[in-house]
Amino acid sequence: EVHLVESGGGLVQPGGSLRLSCSASGFTFSDSAMHWVRQAPGKGLEYVSAISFNGGSTYYADSVKGRFTISRDNSKNTLYLQMSSLRTEDTAVFYCVKDLNRNILEDTEFEYWGQGTLVTVSS
Amino acid sequence: NFMLTQPHSVSESPGKTVTISCTGFNGNIASNYVQWYQQRPGSAPITVIYEDNQRPSGVPGRFSGSIDRSSNSASLTISGLKIEDEADYFCQSYDSDNPCVFGGGTKLTVL
Repeated sequence: EVHLVESGGGLVQPGGSLRLSCSASGFTFSDSAMHWVRQAPGKGLEYVSAISFNGGSTYYADSVKGRFTISRDNSKNTLYLQMSSLRTEDTAVFYCVKDLNRNILEDTEFEYWGQGTLVTVSS
Repeated sequence: NFMLTQPHSVSESPGKTVTISCTGFNGNIASNYVQWYQQRPGSAPITVIYEDNQRPSGVPGRFSGSIDRSSNSASLTISGLKIEDEADYFCQSYDSDNPCVFGGGTKLTVL
């Protein structure tokens, strides 16, 4: 059974930093592209970032480009999202999502979702 | 930019059939696969349809997806509605300029 467990969320002041982690199990992590998708309170889904199966390709939404860095450690079956220069508008639940495919920027098809971790940016 | 538009809300009675639309703008929706995600209140999304009309294992056969090229839209149809189907439903696709486009979501009320 596939499990994606996010951690690292919490309360942070504007301008601060946070690193999210996603521990994966139940599938061959190194064979899947992975994504971060967020959802602000009471809002819809927003695509944040993606990384290919081997970390060779990454993508960032314009809203986070230059502030967030996605990475993965296939030896630890873990996905990361390093967030810096956080803004109040970054407040959201962040979901770790497994893709059906290995590569990004081609067919984006979300297969499994984690339960999410809440990031609150507030003074 | 390619966009996907969904009705804000739909409602139907238990046992009936409901269809949720997802209309593409500034692009051909049939050019790339469409996925559908269900999000029950307080829970994470789950995938109920992928690649236009494929159902993941564990998703009931009451859920089906389709593409209508004439209206440039995708549809999620849920038959034999149950109270547990009450949720937000999001469509998703992509194009050459944007690797992920979400519809705004549709709130399904089963009453």
